Amino acid sequence: GEDVEQSLFLSVREGDSSVINCTYTDSSSTYLYWYKQEPGAGLQLLTYIFSNMDMKQDQRLTVLLNKKDKHLSLRIADTQTGDSAIYFCAESDTGGFKTIFGAGTRLFVKA
Amino acid sequence: GAVVSQHPSWVICKSGTSVKIECRSLDFQATTMFWYRQFPKQSLMLMATSNEGSKATYEQGVEKDKFLINHASLTLSTLTVTSAHPEDSSFYICSHRDRGRGNTEAFFGQGTRLTVV
Repeated sequence: GEDVEQSLFLSVREGDSSVINCTYTDSSSTYLYWYKQEPGAGLQLLTYIFSNMDMKQDQRLTVLLNKKDKHLSLRIADTQTGDSAIYFCAESDTGGFKTIFGAGTRLFVKA
Repeated sequence: GAVVSQHPSWVICKSGTSVKIECRSLDFQATTMFWYRQFPKQSLMLMATSNEGSKATYEQGVEKDKFLINHASLTLSTLTVTSAHPEDSSFYICSHRDRGRGNTEAFFGQGTRLTVV
């Protein structure tokens, strides 16, 4: 079945860049997402990328997609303490109905 | 962005009782609704998918008689945990997909933390 994997923890200093990596197995994935979850809260969609793109930039966020290797990354420039949260990588198929999530990467930002 | 309101945000109930969680999309019509369960420090596990006017489709291993899903309208979905037990304690999150956005984006509720004592 489909699977999405990502590392569990990342620690960076305030002002540095953070890079969160993700790999997926479903070659038919059409949409790939990054969500942010703060403690005790729901999920907030940060950004998404279509599988026919290899990069998307949105302010401090840069998403890179290597479709051949099924590898997705999220780069956060100038990381702030407010960026501390869990970041979920997710993918869905063409119909976009079923979304498969990774386990989430917990980002710690040290002041 | 679109808003999904989930209520209650937390609930404590006694073992054996039933709990209903509501999920409303406030400013859009949701073609498809999803219910997820999240254990501490784990990812979201899809429990079921429902389309308005039809029965929910449950994922393997999810008891449909225990987790009752009612997709009452294009803006309201409910999850009822029947005869709750301590092992049902978890964080439950709903998600609606906006028909108007071509199914590219799902919006999540704030989540409900259920504690069964």
